[in-house]
Amino acid sequence: NAGVTQTPKFQVLKTGQSMTLQCAQDMNHEYMSWYRQDPGMGLRLIHYSVGAGITDQGEVPNGYNVSRSTTEDFPLRLLSAAPSQTSVYFCASSYSRLTNTGELFFGEGSRLTVL
Amino acid sequence: GEDVEQSLFLSVREGDSSVINCTYTDSSSTYLYWYKQEPGAGLQLLTYIFSNMDMKQDQRLTVLLNKKDKHLSLRIADTQTGDSAIYFCAEPAQAGTALIFGKGTTLSVSS
Repeated sequence: NAGVTQTPKFQVLKTGQSMTLQCAQDMNHEYMSWYRQDPGMGLRLIHYSVGAGITDQGEVPNGYNVSRSTTEDFPLRLLSAAPSQTSVYFCASSYSRLTNTGELFFGEGSRLTVL
Repeated sequence: GEDVEQSLFLSVREGDSSVINCTYTDSSSTYLYWYKQEPGAGLQLLTYIFSNMDMKQDQRLTVLLNKKDKHLSLRIADTQTGDSAIYFCAEPAQAGTALIFGKGTTLSVSS
């Protein structure tokens, strides 16, 4: 199994450009989420989804959009990139709620630099 | 809301024990997690503990939970250079649909 696949692995953008980070999982997981990791800040939740057609905001949603048209895919869109969005982005998925021994499976990350 | 705190750095010598500490805020958390991140990689689940347990042992790993003080610790016995990584404590958030992570403890193991 491929698990959680993120593309691209690296991207450089100019301020104001838009782009989409792709995330796909082949484990039939209902729950998916996006995090950003910044030095000294740990991982912060951007958006999450509990199933196809259902998304909600996490801790730091501003400047990002998500959609969940299928169980497998959960793309993250940057509408107008800003230098503050320079970060490493992780997509994650789980089969069950994490209040019930669910395991969160992570992709390898997408490193984004905004100039 | 949920919040998780942990110290940022720990340096030990190979063969010593490492203890990474964490405090959390949500007393209703049913499970608490430890994740490990190696350089350039995503996070991987290391271990977890159910909230009605005080201790869980898994080979070289021992997790201790003090619910009264909302304190969680991870002990790694006989620490090896391969254990050098960032360790994250986490608790469920958003009704268990995601996790809230601490800032991560960078463990450095010297030989």
